[in-house]
Formats: sequence, C-alpha cells, structure tokens
Amino acid sequence: AQSVAQPEDQVNVAEGNPLTVKCTYSVSGNPYLFWYVQYPNRGLQFLLKYITGDNLVKGSYGFEAEFNKSQTSFHLKKPSALVSDSALYFCAVRDPMRQNRDDKIIFGKGTRLHILP
Amino acid sequence: DGGITQSPKYLFRKEGQNVTLSCEQNLNHDAMYWYRQDPGQGLRLIYYSQIVNDFQKGDIAEGYSVSREKKESFPLTVTSAQKNPTAFYLCASRRSGLAGDSNTGELFFGEGSRLTVL
Repeated sequence: AQSVAQPEDQVNVAEGNPLTVKCTYSVSGNPYLFWYVQYPNRGLQFLLKYITGDNLVKGSYGFEAEFNKSQTSFHLKKPSALVSDSALYFCAVRDPMRQNRDDKIIFGKGTRLHILP
Repeated sequence: DGGITQSPKYLFRKEGQNVTLSCEQNLNHDAMYWYRQDPGQGLRLIYYSQIVNDFQKGDIAEGYSVSREKKESFPLTVTSAQKNPTAFYLCASRRSGLAGDSNTGELFFGEGSRLTVL
C-alpha cells in the first residue's frame, strides 16, 4: 500500500536560517512525489514535484526538495526562511504503477512551519 | 480564469440533515477528488473520479455520496449517516485520470468548504 509520513507536527526556524521539512514515503514502484502549502482557511497550493531525473527539484517561492531513493525520503528545503513561509506543508505521493480506478494521491498529515522573526 | 470553485465556503447544518457541497472546474480535467481535512489528521480521501460517470470510494467514504454526470462537476453529499461531519472539505482535480497517460499531474485545489454541524 502507498503511504506518506511527515514525522514532525511542527517545525520552528528563525528567519534567515535554512529550513527542512521531512517526508518519507512507501510505494511499490518508483514514486511521483509532491509538496503543497496551505495558508489558513485556504486550499492547497502546489510547490514542486519529483517524477524522474535530477534528485534535487526546484519549485515555487525558493523551495526545493531532495529525492533520496535509498532512504525513501523527499525532504523540503529552503536556504533562507522568511516569516511569510509560515504555513502548513503537505507531502503527497502517487504510485504510477497503479492502474485506472486504483490511481490515487495520498497525503501526509502535514507539518506546521513557524518562522520566527 | 481557469480554476476550481467550491461552494458554499461556510455551511451550517443541523443533525440529521443531508447537505451537498458543490465543486466545479473549468480546467478540462478528467479526474476529480474530494478530501476531508481535520486538525492533526491531514487530508483523507473520501471519493474520487477518474472519468465521467465513474467514481471510486476513498479511505473514508462511509456517510458520503457523490455523482459525476458532467466532466466539470463533482458534488459531494454529506448524509445524516456521517457521524462526525464537521470538517473542512477540499475538492481537487487533475488533468488525466487514466493510466498510461504520461501526464504526471499535480492536483489543483479549490478554496474549500467548511461544514459545521450544530
């Protein structure tokens, strides 16, 4: 079965410091991996995705994520945090080997990121 | 502009009443999804549809029903059988729901509907 784990409910980082939000996954084949961000009472916004190729993917708002197949991880990173990055972040996985009616996207429980001024 | 529209944004319901949440998209996407969000539990999949006139149960389908009569629309009905319906409901769509399509398709989300049962 496919699954996603975000081991930290909350991450606190001082403004200007680098940030990391962790994600691990489990699928039967090679995964499609996604990061989304959610601001209060809003829908989710797409940040970036890994499908194949370079393990380091770059996305919106200066975020990037590193795919590590041996550790089954896809951690979200940013070199220098901004207060405006404070939000709820979700990791998601899709198993491309699943066919048709069984093809779905599973989300982690989310990590709340607090950037301290 | 293209996007996904959910309505209403806020909804109050008395116990024992059914309520229908609307989700409309003009992105020409094949696949549509309903998720429920509760604090600390992330997003849980209720129902999804890969193509018109077909849909599948997700992980928490009990007490919910859907229809997919048109490509653009995927309404969710929260029935009186749903024991704890108070939550934030999110609708999403993706370009292709069919396997074999090379589209890797991230989801596009609506702004959500917050349902409160009184």
